Amino acid sequence: QVQLVQSGSELKKPGASVKVSCKASGYGFSFHAINWVRQAPGRGLEWVGWINTNSANPTYAQGFTGRLVFSLDTSVSTAYLQISDLEADDTAVYYCARGSLGDRNTFDYWGQGTLVTVSS
Amino acid sequence: SHELTQPPSVSMYPGQTAGLTCTTDGLPNQYVSWYQQKPGQAPVMLIYKDTERPSGIPERFSGSSSWATATLTISGVLAEDEADYYCQSADSNGDNVIFGGGTKLTVL
Repeated sequence: QVQLVQSGSELKKPGASVKVSCKASGYGFSFHAINWVRQAPGRGLEWVGWINTNSANPTYAQGFTGRLVFSLDTSVSTAYLQISDLEADDTAVYYCARGSLGDRNTFDYWGQGTLVTVSS
Repeated sequence: SHELTQPPSVSMYPGQTAGLTCTTDGLPNQYVSWYQQKPGQAPVMLIYKDTERPSGIPERFSGSSSWATATLTISGVLAEDEADYYCQSADSNGDNVIFGGGTKLTVL
């Protein structure tokens, strides 16, 4: 069955970097986009961007350029989200979500989420 | 810009029919999806392409769309339906994904 399994919670200091992984299984990895969605504590869902799993071309949402990098390791069907120069406002649960076939903007499967806490 | 507006909260009694709305103030030319999120869990897709229901989603969940408003209808609300519900769409070019602010459904 389709699964997206994310890496565990992270506690980081301001200015540090973090890399969250999202391992896909149960389907052809290159056939579906991977999106990233952020949820700050007590807040709603916020789209961060997506990566084309064929070309590895990333697209970042407005306001998320500069410190975020999406990447892939297709040999292990895994997508990564790296955030550098962390700030307290980056504290959130980060989800990866699969774009459905034919419409990358419909998220049919989600990872379990990774809590990133930024605190001194 | 394209924004999706949802009422922050709705309260229903078990067995009632709930209609959760999602109103756009931009060009309504993109499909709407709906997601349910329970506390501490990842979102789950309930509806896509305005009205389509994925396999495994109970039939009491249905979607509709009329011009600038999409609606998620829950027919015969159950206690287990207490959750946050988010609508989601994209801008007119389909390049950027947008989420509504979410509606918290409380089952009394």
